[in-house]
Amino acid sequence: DPKIIQKPKYLVAVTGSEKILICEQYLGHNAMYWYRQSAKKPLEFMFSYSYQKLMDNQTASSRFQPQSSKKNHLDLQITALKPDDSATYFCASSQESWGAVYAEQFFGPGTRLTVL
Amino acid sequence: GMPVEQNPPALSLYEGADSGLRCNFSTTMKSVQWFQQNHRGRLITLFYLAQGTKENGRLKSTFNSKERYSTLHIKDAQLEDSGTYFCAAEDNYAQGLTFGLGTRVSVFP
Repeated sequence: DPKIIQKPKYLVAVTGSEKILICEQYLGHNAMYWYRQSAKKPLEFMFSYSYQKLMDNQTASSRFQPQSSKKNHLDLQITALKPDDSATYFCASSQESWGAVYAEQFFGPGTRLTVL
Repeated sequence: GMPVEQNPPALSLYEGADSGLRCNFSTTMKSVQWFQQNHRGRLITLFYLAQGTKENGRLKSTFNSKERYSTLHIKDAQLEDSGTYFCAAEDNYAQGLTFGLGTRVSVFP
């Protein structure tokens, strides 16, 4: 059974539209992340959430907004889509413990977004 | 320079050969993960290290935080080892992983 579900697997959108990428994890983790992999850039960290609160935001554009409705959900809303947003978006999760320094991150299968 | 420098960018191996990949870090990292990305784009975790060395079958990885590097060694390469390998490290300030640019490994019969 997949432990981290990302939906949809593939997504095609038109420039200027808005899409939501879904991520659910069933590992019981308290921290979740979004990463992006495009043809032009290496895998890059976007956001991290811990206990449903934003911890780190490395995305310059406000068009990208994470949404956490439940502890094991972290969706990514992207507005005013541009062709440069075309990429595979990976969700990840980890178990962060107070006082613990290290935590392995587990990655979902990704959503491949193409903006025309 | 890049926070995570990964070498080589590409590696061609014959079946049965041994080889290694290396990541150098510009700053002290607290942990490193190695991934294989398959032809479907899926990221498969190979190792997670906070220090020292781990082995799993024909793969072995070492992380030296003080010396700022990590290595991945492939022994007796098989066709299924083909793919792109990434190291990714976590520093002391951010929760997100910083990835290297990857090493494209091709194994030939």
